[in-house]
Amino acid sequence: DAKTTQPNSMESNEEEPVHLPCNHSTISGTDYIHWYRQLPSQGPEYVIHGLTSNVNNRMASLAIAEDRKSSTLILHRATLRDAAVYYCINSPGIQGAQKLVFGQGTRLTINP
Amino acid sequence: GAVVSQHPSRVICKSGTSVKIECRSLDFQATTMFWYRQFPKKSLMLMATSNEGSKATYEQGVEKDKFLINHASLTLSTLTVTSAHPEDSSFYICSAVNRGPKNIQYFGAGTRLSVL
Repeated sequence: DAKTTQPNSMESNEEEPVHLPCNHSTISGTDYIHWYRQLPSQGPEYVIHGLTSNVNNRMASLAIAEDRKSSTLILHRATLRDAAVYYCINSPGIQGAQKLVFGQGTRLTINP
Repeated sequence: GAVVSQHPSRVICKSGTSVKIECRSLDFQATTMFWYRQFPKKSLMLMATSNEGSKATYEQGVEKDKFLINHASLTLSTLTVTSAHPEDSSFYICSAVNRGPKNIQYFGAGTRLSVL
């Protein structure tokens, strides 16, 4: 399983953008980059995923480096509800359900 | 997004009893579901992969006779913690894969098990 490296924690202010980095230097050519987040005492929640191109959805944007060895999750305007642990995970891009290997993630704190 | 329901959300039991946790995909069919365990301040650890109509695949170090998994239908998987002991106290989380988008997993809200 391709391993990812994320900062243990980050802090930001409400209504400001947040850039959460992730290194995945051993990613294979067909691995997808997934981001999930886990709010306190909840199960993880899917945020976004991508392969090569940058992706946008209603929750966030995903910027993927050209060599795919790193990516950045962007929360455009953080709210207090975005305080969570954010996990960056590489997942094989093959048919069928694939298990996700969770690292320690980044604990994001949002200041009012 | 797709909805996965997990029940119960919290259970307290005496040592030696068995506890069953249910995981349901409410608006899609899930051939595969996953079961995770999470200790305080730690990340999720995959316990097993639950496949509809066949035996579960357990991760290394997870006792299959202690953590019984049944996936009898495309919308329901159950995890039974048999003869629970205090060291089994943990946060158990299930997920289900929607066959549409690539391997996106939808998670239940988790079950907090406390064994006295």
